[in-house]
Amino acid sequence: QVQLQESGPGLVKPSQTLSLTCTVSGGSISSGDYYWSWIRQPPGKGLEWIGYIYYSGSTYYNPSLKSRVTISVDTSKNQFSLKLSSVTAADTAVYYCAASSFGYYFDYWGQGTLVTVSS
Amino acid sequence: EIVLTQSPGTLSLSPGERATLSCRASQSVSSSYLAWYQQKPGQAPRLLIYGASSRATGIPDRFSGSGSGTDFTLTISRLEPEDFAVYYCQQYPMYTFGQGTKLEIK
Repeated sequence: QVQLQESGPGLVKPSQTLSLTCTVSGGSISSGDYYWSWIRQPPGKGLEWIGYIYYSGSTYYNPSLKSRVTISVDTSKNQFSLKLSSVTAADTAVYYCAASSFGYYFDYWGQGTLVTVSS
Repeated sequence: EIVLTQSPGTLSLSPGERATLSCRASQSVSSSYLAWYQQKPGQAPRLLIYGASSRATGIPDRFSGSGSGTDFTLTISRLEPEDFAVYYCQQYPMYTFGQGTKLEIK
């Protein structure tokens, strides 16, 4: 069974770039079995999909965030990463990484990591 | 953009009762592309239903999904104490989620 674990700074200053990494175990990113996504949830609010990457490096982003988002993959480390630039307080959220076996829904989720944007 | 609207916002029921949660889409959604998740406080969401009516691995059969087009329903036939949580629907291809229904103990 696939397991995912997010890591990265819990505090980011406004206007800076948020960077998170998701480490995958129990499966290989390069197998092509899953699409690898980032999803976020502001405190007390609902879920927002950020984007996904496939093992080949192809990406698909939420249009509302596309100008600020980069998702990359490192198959040698079995990791994928999120960069969100020019952050504001509105980007404060729990960030989840997730795996999607057919690209339609999210089978597996990481536990989530809270990122606070504050000076 | 397809908007998913869930109702009710909060549902207060007792263990043993039947829960019916609604997810309405602003445009028609293929049944293959509608999923439901359960989220408990401090936890990540868990996939319950995919393809509108297929239960994910390990999900008890008291959970069932139905619907087509713009109207979808998640039904919990007989509530267990561990079922009280927030439930989200989600559609593909834009991976939008509904705003959630909180199922609380009455």
